[in-house]
Amino acid sequence: AQSVTQLDSQVPVFEEAPVELRCNYSSSVSVYLFWYVQYPNQGLQLLLKYLSGSTLVKGINGFEAEFNKSQTSFHLRKPSVHISDTAEYFCAVSEAGGSYIPTFGRGTSLIVHP
Amino acid sequence: EAQVTQNPRYLITVTGKKLTVTCSQNMNHEYMSWYRQDPGLGLRQIYYSMNVEVTDKGDVPEGYKVSRKEKRNFPLILESPSPNQTSLYFCASRDRASSTDTQYFGPGTRLTVL
Repeated sequence: AQSVTQLDSQVPVFEEAPVELRCNYSSSVSVYLFWYVQYPNQGLQLLLKYLSGSTLVKGINGFEAEFNKSQTSFHLRKPSVHISDTAEYFCAVSEAGGSYIPTFGRGTSLIVHP
Repeated sequence: EAQVTQNPRYLITVTGKKLTVTCSQNMNHEYMSWYRQDPGLGLRQIYYSMNVEVTDKGDVPEGYKVSRKEKRNFPLILESPSPNQTSLYFCASRDRASSTDTQYFGPGTRLTVL
């Protein structure tokens, strides 16, 4: 079984500053990794995903994440945040090869201050 | 427009009064699932369905039922709701029962059980 740990429950940051949201996972098999964003009063939408290949994955809205197998991490980064990035961010993992049940982290609330 | 819809969006009910939350998707997706989101716990999967008439338990199935009679619909049934089922519920769908595919989430149903 896999598990996901999002190390920060809340990350406050000023507008135009860089941000990193941390995600670590554990699994005994190969995994696929996802980041989802949830804006206030909305459902989740996919930001980016890592399936295979290049460890640096680019997503929507200027976000990117790097898969680090040795450190079992998949941290999300953005070089310059906007007020509109204020949202809840979820890291998720699925076992490669057919697991139907993705495991979500507990979420990180990104709060961007003007 | 491709979407997952849920109804109702908000519901307040009393203990023991049966209720159904509907979920419908217009993308002809095979795989559908239900999650509940609670503060500090992230998303936890309740039930999932890989196709019509095929359903299975997720991580927290107790107190819930589902059915999948048609491909587009996946209702969540609470036969006898209790206060610990007060939560935010999300329905999701994806194209195949493959962990590589993106899940599409509905807007959520906020349920309060008094």
